[in-house]
Amino acid sequence: DVVMTQSPLSLPVSLGQPASISCRSSQSLVYSDGNTYLNWFQQRPGHSPRRLIYEVSKRDSGVPDRFSGSGSGTDFTLRISRVEAEDVGVYYCMQGTHWPRTFGQGTKVEIK
Amino acid sequence: EVQLVESGGGLVQPGGSLRLSCAASGFTFSSYWMSWVRQAPGKGLEWVANIQPDGSGKYYVDSVKGRFTISRDNAKSSLYLQMNSLRAEDTAMYYCAREDMHNTFDYWGQGTLVTVSS
Repeated sequence: DVVMTQSPLSLPVSLGQPASISCRSSQSLVYSDGNTYLNWFQQRPGHSPRRLIYEVSKRDSGVPDRFSGSGSGTDFTLRISRVEAEDVGVYYCMQGTHWPRTFGQGTKVEIK
Repeated sequence: EVQLVESGGGLVQPGGSLRLSCAASGFTFSSYWMSWVRQAPGKGLEWVANIQPDGSGKYYVDSVKGRFTISRDNAKSSLYLQMNSLRAEDTAMYYCAREDMHNTFDYWGQGTLVTVSS
């Protein structure tokens, strides 16, 4: 199985400051069709996961533009340009290139 | 509006069985792959199983193969997970999720909690 490794696992951030989460995969996530199926999910306390980003950098409808995704191959990053109170929660990367689908361990974002 | 509503969770003894259901609405259910994803208390997310739109193909994570069966009824826009020989490590919130063309989960239900304990 493809192992997804996130860092850091805990990220205290001051309001208005940027935040960055790294996700590395044990194998390349480039699929045979040329696409890279790397996704980011947000899970607020007590809520179901919500997809923020798919195919590395494409934002879902309704996702604020302070969220951005980047990367290629095995190395990916989720950035929040200015953290707001509503961004508190756990963030997961997930690969959809290989079977089975696998998630990172999660990164807990909290306000410092 | 896409909605996924799970039900059927509860407390069950080790070795017991449970059947989860997921009622879908707001989209053409028969056109989508569907998945079950679980989350143990305080832990991360784990994909459990998925099923092709017509129900012909079913796939499972190794830890549940031979014990869990995923199925669907397109006429009722419903997804199911039959769970047998349950173990303590199956204790988790179970989410129903729709898979989109980007090989990922674009909509999730609110989850149903399964607790395996004597």
